[in-house]
Amino acid sequence: NAGVTQTPKFQVLKTGQSMTLQCAQDMNHNSMYWYRQDPGMGLRLIYYSASEGTTDKGEVPNGYNVSRLNKREFSLRLESAAPSQTSVYFCASSEAKSLSGQGITDTQYFGPGTRLTVL
Amino acid sequence: AQKITQTQPGMFVQEKEAVTLDCTYDTSDPSYGLFWYKQPSSGEMIFLIYQGSYDQQNATEGRYSLNFQKARKSANLVISASQLGDSAMYFCAMRGYYEKLTFGTGTRLTIIP
Repeated sequence: NAGVTQTPKFQVLKTGQSMTLQCAQDMNHNSMYWYRQDPGMGLRLIYYSASEGTTDKGEVPNGYNVSRLNKREFSLRLESAAPSQTSVYFCASSEAKSLSGQGITDTQYFGPGTRLTVL
Repeated sequence: AQKITQTQPGMFVQEKEAVTLDCTYDTSDPSYGLFWYKQPSSGEMIFLIYQGSYDQQNATEGRYSLNFQKARKSANLVISASQLGDSAMYFCAMRGYYEKLTFGTGTRLTIIP
């Protein structure tokens, strides 16, 4: 059971280049997420997919696109990379559980991250 | 909108002592969950503990416990008998019923031998 895997681990791009970050999970989770982590700012949500076939914007979606390829895979694409997109990118997955009369809970499990530098 | 605040950018603690990492939150959702994650120097995000807003008892997981004070809107992480391997960044996060997961800015914990 690998959990959540991400490729690549490291990437250096030049301004204007494009690339796709890949994410896969083997926990049969419905929901998947992409975050970026910048120094001193914690993690911020870029896009998420509540279920196969759906995607929604998060807090910082500009400059990114996503594809939920199937239940297992959720990719993040940078069409024209900018230095401001230098960051560590994390993919996560979760399964929402309804607690009777108490709302829902879903613990997110994270991949190892991709360190992206845009020159 | 929900908000998480971690006011301790860094902490130094002697090995084997207990440590409390502070977290306060703000939300208008009637139902929410609170989470703590650990990020060691290797970079991965490791889930530690969860507390539901309706849970009557504080959550515990091994050496980790969550001191949940709903009226004060605080969800402090307590690590008992700290170890050198506990040195890491720790993030508090919350998920409101109508919101996505929001993270605090983290606390860097250093355990001194």
